[in-house]
Amino acid sequence: GAVVSQHPSWVICKSGTSVKIECRSLDFQATTMFWYRQFPKQSLMLMATSNEGSKATYEQGVEKDKFLINHASLTLSTLTVTSAHPEDSSFYICSARVTGNQPQHFGDGTRLSIL
Amino acid sequence: AQSVTQLGSHVSVSEGALVLLRCNYSSSVPPYLFWYVQYPNQGLQLLLKYTSAATLVKGINGFEAEFKKSETSFHLTKPSAHMSDAAEYFCAVSDPTNLFFGTGTRLTVIP
Repeated sequence: GAVVSQHPSWVICKSGTSVKIECRSLDFQATTMFWYRQFPKQSLMLMATSNEGSKATYEQGVEKDKFLINHASLTLSTLTVTSAHPEDSSFYICSARVTGNQPQHFGDGTRLSIL
Repeated sequence: AQSVTQLGSHVSVSEGALVLLRCNYSSSVPPYLFWYVQYPNQGLQLLLKYTSAATLVKGINGFEAEFKKSETSFHLTKPSAHMSDAAEYFCAVSDPTNLFFGTGTRLTVIP
């Protein structure tokens, strides 16, 4: 149980395009979903927290207009990287949680490469 | 504020040897603690969690961790390392909202 599916797993695109990443909780309803960014050989950096039906809460230094997050249902959250540039290339990981101090369950990540 | 410190960014053990990955936490409230494992190009998989019940927590793949309040530690152990254990391991502490990760420990298993 507690499976989180993230799609796509790998995307390569040209600079200036927008990329959408989906995060789905397959067998549970996620009140809260999280988006992380991970640089090579580093830990996860929390980008934003989203609660279903509410606006996402972004961490300091994360551009809201650059990284659009939508959490339209209890099983789906999307991250759209708008007008992507090479510096946006990274590994993006989502996670989902039912409530409170329940563990976060992670997707397999999306490797984004901007040419 | 919650935080964790993982001692040792790299740990190497021989196959069959004891695995010990260290984690110390700082928390202003009774902590919820987690260990996650990450394989290359994958997300994180929950190994085990401590949520104020038994201090010795058993997880998947033969791993366990002991919560020691007096030492503010939550070290991860496995009696006998297997080649498939080679991965990145993250300790984390949570507050009601977020997880706070350590910087990770890369475990290498030597045949």
